[in-house]
This record gives sequence, C-alpha cells and structure tokens, in this order.
Amino acid sequence: QVQLVQSGAEVKKPGASVKVSCKASGYTFTSYDINWVRQATGQGLEWMGWMNPNSGNTGYAQKFQGRVTMTRNTSISTAYMELSSLRSEDTAVYYCARAGGSYAIDAFDIWGQGTMVTVSS
Amino acid sequence: SYELTQPPSVSVSPGQTARITCSGDALPKKYAYWYQQKSGQAPVLVIYEDSKRPSGIPERFSGSSSGTMATLTISGAQVEDEADYYCYSTDSSGNHGVFGGGTKLTVL
Repeated sequence: QVQLVQSGAEVKKPGASVKVSCKASGYTFTSYDINWVRQATGQGLEWMGWMNPNSGNTGYAQKFQGRVTMTRNTSISTAYMELSSLRSEDTAVYYCARAGGSYAIDAFDIWGQGTMVTVSS
Repeated sequence: SYELTQPPSVSVSPGQTARITCSGDALPKKYAYWYQQKSGQAPVLVIYEDSKRPSGIPERFSGSSSGTMATLTISGAQVEDEADYYCYSTDSSGNHGVFGGGTKLTVL
C-alpha cells in the first residue's frame, strides 16, 4: 500500500544537526512533492518546506531558511530533511507528507508516522 | 509572514453542528485545506480545495470559503470527531505553506 515510513527517534545536543529520512513505497516517488511539517509537544502544526523529488527543487519556510536542507535519493525512494544548529525549541515530532497525490496539488494525502527529535544537553 | 487564524476551541453536544473558521488575507485567491488530528496520531486530510471531501471521509464533513474566511462544518458531530482541526493554505505566491493555529473540537 501507499505509505511513507520515517526513521526513528533522535536525541541531539544543542548546536548539532539532525537528518530525518522518509521512505516512500507503493507509488512512483518522483511523481509527487514531499513536504515536511513539525509539531512541538502540545503545539500546532508548522510547515517547514517542500521538495520535488524529480527535480530536487525545494522551497523553505522563511523561519528555517539557512538551517534546513531537503534532499532525496531517488534510487531508494527516500526523502531527507536535515536541520542544523539545533536548539531546544527544535524539539518536536517531524512529519513528512506527500502532496498532490490522490487529490490536489497542495493536499497532503499521505503522512509518515512522525519522528521525534529531542534537543537536550 | 502570512498567517491563518482559527479559534482555539469549539464545543458542541453530540448531534449538533460544529463550525470551525479559518481567516487569512490570501484565502480569496488560495484554496483552504482541513486536517483532523487525534491525540498521538498523524494528521488526516478531511477537506481539500475548500469544499471537496476525500474518499473515506464521512459526509457530515463539509467545507466552504467566502472572502477571507474558510469554514469547516461538521453536521451532526459525533463523539469520535473530537480532535484538533487545522486549516492549511499557501501565501499569495503559492510557494510557502502555512497552517492555522488549530482548533480543539470537544463533543460532549
């Protein structure tokens, strides 16, 4: 079935970087954008950016410009989100989501299970 | 930066109609999308392009948009509809997405 499976939980120290993976299966990986969304505990959803797996083109939320990099490896149908210069406020669950699949170009129809990233000294 | 504004909470009794609003300056030109998130789970798309319902979403969920406000309506809300609901849209350029702050729906 169509799914996105993310990598496991991470614990990082302030100032470090984290790289979360998102493996797609059940569909053609290069056909639909991947977006990244995060959610701090007890808080709302926050859009981080998008990547076109076919071209590699990306677009990032202004808040994360300079700190986030979204890449992909098409040979293994996997998208990556790397966040650098981590601080405690980056502690959150990070989700990948497919856009433009079954419905509309900006509709996130398939979500990964989420990856908990904890930033703590 | 662009913002979408939702009420923090809405409360209804079972069987009543729940309405959740989302306001944003670009909504006259950009579609609204609605996501339901239950505790500990990933979000689920319940409405796309203002008013369209994905397969598998109950008919009691509907959406509309007029001017700078989009509305999610749950007609005959059920206890199982208790969740956080988020609207989503893009800014006027279409290149940057944004979620509303979320609305906690209580059905009791």
